Amino acid sequence: DAKTTQPPSMDCAEGRAANLPCNHSTISGNEYVYWYRQIHSQGPQYIIHGLKNNETNEMASLIITEDRKSSTLILPHATLRDTAVYYCIVRVPSGGNEKLTFGTGTRLTIIP
Amino acid sequence: DAGITQSPRYKITETGRQVTLMCHQTWSHSYMFWYRQDLGHGLRLIYYSAAADITDKGEVPDGYVVSRSKTENFPLTLESATRSQTSVYFCASRKQANTEAFFGQGTRLTVV
Repeated sequence: DAKTTQPPSMDCAEGRAANLPCNHSTISGNEYVYWYRQIHSQGPQYIIHGLKNNETNEMASLIITEDRKSSTLILPHATLRDTAVYYCIVRVPSGGNEKLTFGTGTRLTIIP
Repeated sequence: DAGITQSPRYKITETGRQVTLMCHQTWSHSYMFWYRQDLGHGLRLIYYSAAADITDKGEVPDGYVVSRSKTENFPLTLESATRSQTSVYFCASRKQANTEAFFGQGTRLTVV
């Protein structure tokens, strides 16, 4: 699985859009980008994933650059409950090695 | 209620003792995973399983043993606990290779 690089921490004002970047410059053509988050003391929670097109669901939007070497997770209207560590992961969703490899993530703090 | 559950939630054990952490999921997901989480390391994969009776090593398997005799259960055993195995352990499951993973609430293990 390709390695990812994320800033260790970010702050965002409550009600504003939180934009979390992720670099994955060595991503392969068949690797997807996944985002998970972990709220304090809980297990990680799936947010969204995509291959090359931008994706949106009820939680967030995922913007993947055309060259697929980076992506941005957007929380459109951040709330205090969005304070968490956010993990960007790239992986091939099928094949012999089905593991998720987590890095150290970005600690997002929503400021009231 | 359906889902993925871990037991116990908290455990204190002595060095050298054997301890087993349990993980049970009610979705009949094919894939199951064990992670440990330590400050500064994020989540690290210990073992994973693609189906009953199929297991494979992750990033940090030494000192751990797993089994998967039934699809719904994936116990993790520390055969002779060491202080370095003090950690928070998360179990996860996934239905298929390209679907999201669901995590349990974690087991906090302290080895004294």
